[in-house]
Amino acid sequence: DGGITQSPKYLFRKEGQNVTLSCEQNLNHDAMYWYRQDPGQGLRLIYYSQIVNDFQKGDIAEGYSVSREKKESFPLTVTSAQKNPTAFYLCASSPRRTGMHEQYFGPGTRLTVT
Amino acid sequence: AQTVTQSQPEMSVQEAETVTLSCTYDTSESDYYLFWYKQPPSRQMILVIRQEAYKQQNATENRFSVNFQKAAKSFSLKISDSQLGDAAMYFCAYRSLGGAGGTSYGKLTFGQGTILTVHP
Repeated sequence: DGGITQSPKYLFRKEGQNVTLSCEQNLNHDAMYWYRQDPGQGLRLIYYSQIVNDFQKGDIAEGYSVSREKKESFPLTVTSAQKNPTAFYLCASSPRRTGMHEQYFGPGTRLTVT
Repeated sequence: AQTVTQSQPEMSVQEAETVTLSCTYDTSESDYYLFWYKQPPSRQMILVIRQEAYKQQNATENRFSVNFQKAAKSFSLKISDSQLGDAAMYFCAYRSLGGAGGTSYGKLTFGQGTILTVHP
């Protein structure tokens, strides 16, 4: 079945460590996105990519980095520079670079940093 | 920058009744998309309904319909014949069509969400 996978579902790290969250899609979508969700809040955009080897910062990119080497994959690295990394992270994709369609979401990764 | 406001942090409804969730947004653009997403306890985001700003007709998907008031920048969601499975957090989202090279191109701006409880 086509869809978006994120792994792992739960991730625990010590403060000061970088951690990479995986996002893979087999929907043949051009655009991919990373959002962060904090308790009681909506989603905020971290990074997005409309095409392979290209990506743009979203509203809260500080302390995060991404890569887009393959169309299917858009991993997010949470660096030690991110002051409050504990959150729920959602990856999404949409079918066209022009962004004329809704975004489809993965199941999310809950990251806890202590 | 666009903003989306959901003024109802929580709503409740009896099973089989109708409930309306409110959403307002602020934008200077004339063309855009609006969405309602549902996030059940599993936290999977599920698209409920979408509306193109250039269409005057309100979108409908089975028991879900919207009241889109472009001039008032209002986009409410009506759930008819509520079911227990409708219980979730509901998010209103705005999507800019953007322009060539525009940084807002394709991104979603979300409201804070409304938690909907359905009572049997």
